[in-house]
Amino acid sequence: QVQLVESGGGVVQPGRSLRLSCSASGFVFSDFGMHWVRQAPGKGLEAVAFISYDGSRIYYGHSVKGRFTVSRDNSKKTLYLHVNGLRPEDTATYYCTKDLRGYNDHWGQGTLVIVSS
Amino acid sequence: DIVLTQSPDSLAVSLGERATINCKSSQSVLYNPNNKNYLVWYQQKPGQPPKLLIYWASSRESGVPDRFSGSGSRTDFTLTISSLQAEDVAVYYCQQYYTNPSTFGGGTKVEIK
Repeated sequence: QVQLVESGGGVVQPGRSLRLSCSASGFVFSDFGMHWVRQAPGKGLEAVAFISYDGSRIYYGHSVKGRFTVSRDNSKKTLYLHVNGLRPEDTATYYCTKDLRGYNDHWGQGTLVIVSS
Repeated sequence: DIVLTQSPDSLAVSLGERATINCKSSQSVLYNPNNKNYLVWYQQKPGQPPKLLIYWASSRESGVPDRFSGSGSRTDFTLTISSLQAEDVAVYYCQQYYTNPSTFGGGTKVEIK
């Protein structure tokens, strides 16, 4: 079965950086695009980034463009999100999701990022 | 960006009764070449990630009970729970994937009356 396991979250000071990872199993990782979606505490869902199966197409949400970078290593079946210049409003659970025809058909459990001094 | 507006924000329904959630899009999400609406519905229970319920606006994901159904086209969509069960208490979100970045509705919280 599809499994997505995020890691790398934690408490970080404003302006600092983090690298989130998502380890995938149960499907042919290199055949599918992947997304990052975040959810601030008690709030709704926000699309953060998308990367195509081969990394040739990448999209970002407007609020993170220029600060976040999505990448993938198909040999390691791992998705990454490099988050720079963190702001308090970036505090959220970050979910890794598998793409199917544009939507998110499988979700990980998420990793919590708290931006606080 | 396409804005999705869900209504109501919350609703309380008696067990066994119908629950109806609406999602209105600021522009059409119908792709004419394949006549598909690029809209999905998710269910999120407390402490869990979202779970896919409906894709292409009306296609039920494998394993989803048939009391869940999706309808609508272009800009107006509905998720219906025909007979509410206790395990259906959750927040429901619509999402459009017609454009990048995709966008989500604000969510509708469903509770038992």
